[in-house]
Amino acid sequence: DIQLTQSPSFLSASVGDRVTVACRASQDISTSLAWYQQKPGKAPKLLIYDASTLQSGVPSRFSGSGSGTEFTLTISSLQPEDFATYYCQQLNSYPRTFGQGTNVDI
Amino acid sequence: EVQLVESGGTLVQPGGSLRLSCAASGFTFSDHYMDWVRQAPGKGLEWVGRVRNKANTHTTEYAASVKGRFTISRDDSKNSLYLQMNSLKTEDTAVYYCVRVSGTYRSPNDYWGQGTLVTVSS
Repeated sequence: DIQLTQSPSFLSASVGDRVTVACRASQDISTSLAWYQQKPGKAPKLLIYDASTLQSGVPSRFSGSGSGTEFTLTISSLQPEDFATYYCQQLNSYPRTFGQGTNVDI
Repeated sequence: EVQLVESGGTLVQPGGSLRLSCAASGFTFSDHYMDWVRQAPGKGLEWVGRVRNKANTHTTEYAASVKGRFTISRDDSKNSLYLQMNSLKTEDTAVYYCVRVSGTYRSPNDYWGQGTLVTVSS
């Protein structure tokens, strides 16, 4: 199985900060990676797929990059509504796997 | 508007069985692969399994943790997805999400239901 390791697991930031979350895959997954945002008590929401393609309706302050085994989610200017937990997911092979999550807090 | 509504979550004893349902609307259900994803209380997301569309003969994939105990099925005539869970363990306690796959093989999960809670406890 492909393992995904996110760093950091917890991140404290302020409104307006530039925030970066990393996701490392245990083997080459090309660009088959998605990022999701989850707020407490809510279902996850798709932000980015194919490593860097922004899902329709997602603000442009979110961006993704990377290929192979190293990936990054960047929020260019953190907004109050962005405080949440972020997960990466590999779409390269079965079983699909998620990273352990990164909690972005104030 | 795409909607996915899960039902069937409840308290069940270890070793018991339970069937979850998901009612889909707002899209052509038969065209899409569908997944189940779960989340234990206070924990991260875990992919449970997938059922492919009719064009791919409704074949399935499962996580190792549930293979042989859980069965995913669908009824395209009813726009419904199912998760049959047998031999339940306490570690199966989680919110179970019904999730649409946007395309086919390497596509992400673009729509999620609100989830249904399954508690396995004596």
